[in-house]
Amino acid sequence: GAGVSQTPSNKVTEKGKYVELRCDPISGHTALYWYRQSLGQGPEFLIYFQGTGAADDSGLPNDRFFAVRPEGSVSTLKIQRTERGDSAVYLCASSLIAGEVHEQFFGPGTRLTVL
Amino acid sequence: DQQVKQNSPSLSVQEGRISILNCDYTNSMFDYFLWYKKYPAEGPTFLISISSIKDKNEDGRFTVFLNKSAKHLSLHIVPSQPGDSAVYFCAAKYGNKLVFGAGTILRVKS
Repeated sequence: GAGVSQTPSNKVTEKGKYVELRCDPISGHTALYWYRQSLGQGPEFLIYFQGTGAADDSGLPNDRFFAVRPEGSVSTLKIQRTERGDSAVYLCASSLIAGEVHEQFFGPGTRLTVL
Repeated sequence: DQQVKQNSPSLSVQEGRISILNCDYTNSMFDYFLWYKKYPAEGPTFLISISSIKDKNEDGRFTVFLNKSAKHLSLHIVPSQPGDSAVYFCAAKYGNKLVFGAGTILRVKS
C-alpha cells in the first residue's frame, strides 16, 4: 500500500515489560513523527525525525521511551518497563519534507494496552 | 496547559444543513492551522488547512475561517452528509510539530 503502516495494530503487555512499535512511512518521505493519543484526547507529539536523526524529542514523557530510525525509513518506538499509564494509541505520521509540507499523513496506529 | 481547545465534545446536525466546528488557541506563534478527520480504527486524515496570514480557505464543501485577533478558527461543512460523521481534530503547527485539540464528534443524521 501507499500509506503509512504500523505494526502491530494491537499490543497487550504486562506492567514492567518492554515493547517495540514499528512504523513504515510513505516511501520517499523524509520526515517521520510519533504521537500518542490517550482516551478522549487528541494526538500528543512525542518525537520527530528528519532523516535518521531525531530532530526534536521534546515530547517523550521520560527516559523509558526511545525511538530510532537507523536507515531513514522505518522507525521503531521502544518503551521500557511499561506502566499502565502508557496505555494509548500510538500514531506514526510522515511528511515529504519537514517544515515545507504541512500535511502529515498518519498511519492507523498501534493500540497499546498495559495490564 | 492546553494550547488548542475544542470545547464542544460532540455535535449533531441534520443532513443537508451546515456543520460548524470550533477551535480556540492560545499560542500566537502558531503559523498554520489544520483540520483532520478521523474514523474509528483509522489514523487522522488531513482535511483542510489555513496559513496564519489568511482568514479563509475553501475546498469544496469545506471552509476554514481564521480570526487571529480572537485566536479562533472554525470549520464549516456545507451541505453536511452522513459520511461526514467522524471525529474532527483541530491542529496548530509550531515549528515541525502539530498541537492537537481533543476533538469533536460530528454526527450527521439522515
